Amino acid sequence: SQQGEEDPQALSIQEGENATMNCSYKTSINNLQWYRQNSGRGLVHLILIRSNEREKHSGRLRVTLDTSKKSSSLLITASRAADTASYFCAPRGGTSYGKLTFGQGTILTVHP
Amino acid sequence: DTAVSQTPKYLVTQMGNDKSIKCEQNLGHDTMYWYKQDSKKFLKIMFSYNNKELIINETVPNRFSPKSPDKAHLNLHINSLELGDSAVYFCASSQASRTGELFFGEGSRLTVL
Repeated sequence: SQQGEEDPQALSIQEGENATMNCSYKTSINNLQWYRQNSGRGLVHLILIRSNEREKHSGRLRVTLDTSKKSSSLLITASRAADTASYFCAPRGGTSYGKLTFGQGTILTVHP
Repeated sequence: DTAVSQTPKYLVTQMGNDKSIKCEQNLGHDTMYWYKQDSKKFLKIMFSYNNKELIINETVPNRFSPKSPDKAHLNLHINSLELGDSAVYFCASSQASRTGELFFGEGSRLTVL
């Protein structure tokens, strides 16, 4: 299975602090994607890192990938109350049809 | 314009009834999906269609029947609804030849009483 497992299950921080979420997976991947889900909404794609990349940045987001350890991390710097959401990782294998399997996510709460 | 839209957003019905959820995407993607999210937030893939052809069919009761009239539409019909079918159902789309990034609809919350 390509399912990613996020850790921790829940994270509570103050505005301005950094938030780090981790993802582990079990099989080889083509890329790994992170998604955000606000309460009552659909998932939104945040960032994708390819298997031959080690780090990627997008605004306040920083993603790392260690294929030897089959793990990834998502860092949100200078968090804001609006970052409060669930975050999911989705490792993707090499098939064309891009079946993505999601875990339970990390629930991030940012207190103003 | 909404990229992936699904209707209805909320659906409350009695056990044993039959209901449908509709999904449409205007992104020009060739692949569409149905996901089910349970109360613990686990998001499980149910079905996927590529150019109207069923390509993923996970272990789902045959009371669930997807239909894709064209590559921009994917509907989900559920027969003989059970309490355990209560969940949020998400439609998503992607372009198979690319990186597999999914675009999700806002979800349809189904409550079976």
